[in-house]
Amino acid sequence: QSALTQPASVSGSLRQSITISCTGTSSDVGSYNLVSWYQHRPGKAPKLIIYEGNKRPSGVSNRFSGSKSGNTASLTISGLQAEDEADYYCCSYAGRNNWVFGGGTELTVL
Amino acid sequence: QVQLVQSGAEVQKPGASVKVSCKTSGYTFTDFYTHWVRQAPGQGLEWIGWINPNSGDTNYEQKFQGRVTMTRDTSITAAYMELKWLTSEDTAVYYCARVKGGNNYHFDYWGQGTLVTISS
Repeated sequence: QSALTQPASVSGSLRQSITISCTGTSSDVGSYNLVSWYQHRPGKAPKLIIYEGNKRPSGVSNRFSGSKSGNTASLTISGLQAEDEADYYCCSYAGRNNWVFGGGTELTVL
Repeated sequence: QVQLVQSGAEVQKPGASVKVSCKTSGYTFTDFYTHWVRQAPGQGLEWIGWINPNSGDTNYEQKFQGRVTMTRDTSITAAYMELKWLTSEDTAVYYCARVKGGNNYHFDYWGQGTLVTISS
C-alpha cells in the first residue's frame, strides 16, 4: 500500500499551536479509528504520543491531541516548546493485518 | 521495565542476507506481537511485518514477501528478522516494536534500532 501523506515540514513559534495532517484512503485512515502518532528524534527510537486517533499514553503531555475527519487524521501540538522539535509520523492500521506509515513531518520550533 | 534490545550494526554486501535480533524483557513476550519497521537514510518509517510470538504466525508487507523471514525464540524471548538478497536500497535503520495482542494497533515500545549498511 502507499504511504500516508504528511507535509514534509511545519514550523511554529514558541507557545503557538501547530497541526500536522495525515491523509490516507478509505482503506486505511478512513476505515479505522486506529491512527497512531510517533515523535522521532535523530538517533532515538520513535515514541508513541497518540493512539486510536485521540488517546494519549500515560506520561505524554496533554499538549498533544489527535483527531480525524474522513480520510485525514491530524495531530495538534499546542503551546509549542523547544523540546517538541522532532520528526512526527502517523501510522494507520490498513486492514488484513497490515500497517502503513506516513512519510513524516519535520517540526521546527522557531 | 520493558526493554527491546537489538543487535549491533551490520555491514553486508549486495546479494547477501542479514539477520537482526530483538531481545525483549520486562513483559510477557507471547502477549505482544513483534513488528519490524525500517527507516532508510532521509526517508520515513516503513512497516515491514509482524510475528506472533505465541503461534509463530507472520504477516509481511507485500513488498518484502519472499525476501523477509521473521522468527522467534520464546525460550529467550527474542525475535529475529532476516532479509535476503540485499541491495543498496535496504540500507536503513531497522527497528523492532511491540503491539499488544487483541484489539490493539499501536507500537508502544520500540527497540533502539539496528543500522544495516549494504555496500560492496
